[in-house]
Amino acid sequence: ETGVTQTPRHLVMGMTNKKSLKCEQHLGHNAMYWYKQSAKKPLELMFVYNFKEQTENNSVPSRFSPECPNSSHLFLHLHTLQPEDSALYLCASSQGIAGVSYEQYFGPGTRLTVT
Amino acid sequence: GQSLEQPSEVTAVEGAIVQINCTYQTSGFYGLSWYQQHDGGAPTFLSYNGLDGLEETGRFSSFLSRSDSYGYLLLQELQMKDSASYFCAVIYNQGGKLIFGQGTELSVKP
Repeated sequence: ETGVTQTPRHLVMGMTNKKSLKCEQHLGHNAMYWYKQSAKKPLELMFVYNFKEQTENNSVPSRFSPECPNSSHLFLHLHTLQPEDSALYLCASSQGIAGVSYEQYFGPGTRLTVT
Repeated sequence: GQSLEQPSEVTAVEGAIVQINCTYQTSGFYGLSWYQQHDGGAPTFLSYNGLDGLEETGRFSSFLSRSDSYGYLLLQELQMKDSASYFCAVIYNQGGKLIFGQGTELSVKP
């Protein structure tokens, strides 16, 4: 148990749907991250939030919209996705930019399938 | 550049020792982390090297040589449960973001 939870664990959505992924961390961390992991590819950083402020957007298409209402919660809003967006979406947290961000705690991920 | 290189697959037998290498070509390099990911699971942190040398944590050790832009993860007394993917990840000076390698799939055979 890593202290980072993600819901839903599996999601199937059509290209015209709108859905949201949720992440919650119970570790008291100040930084949260979204990663995409496609089959046979490395984890790709999507977004970074520090103290609720977005500090990194790794050229992610606008059909992915993150939201961080507080340091414990992170959302990823999805709309008009493409089949190539099917992947495992992982949330992570750490103690923040000035801290030990090399040690990130990951959630179990949401397996997303876009049909 | 942000290129990290690690072998895609490694196979070893129970009780053996295996070394997974990672070379990197990144500017602003700050340190090297290692993560383990079992199939279908979340990546979990294994170790971090900010300075040259060897860091030991139980059966796992990690090594860094900044001058060679090279590091490795050493797994000793391999067990079947060590079968997983292992990722090296570079941390930058600014932002603290991790750039992950492609991952090495380790298969431990009886």
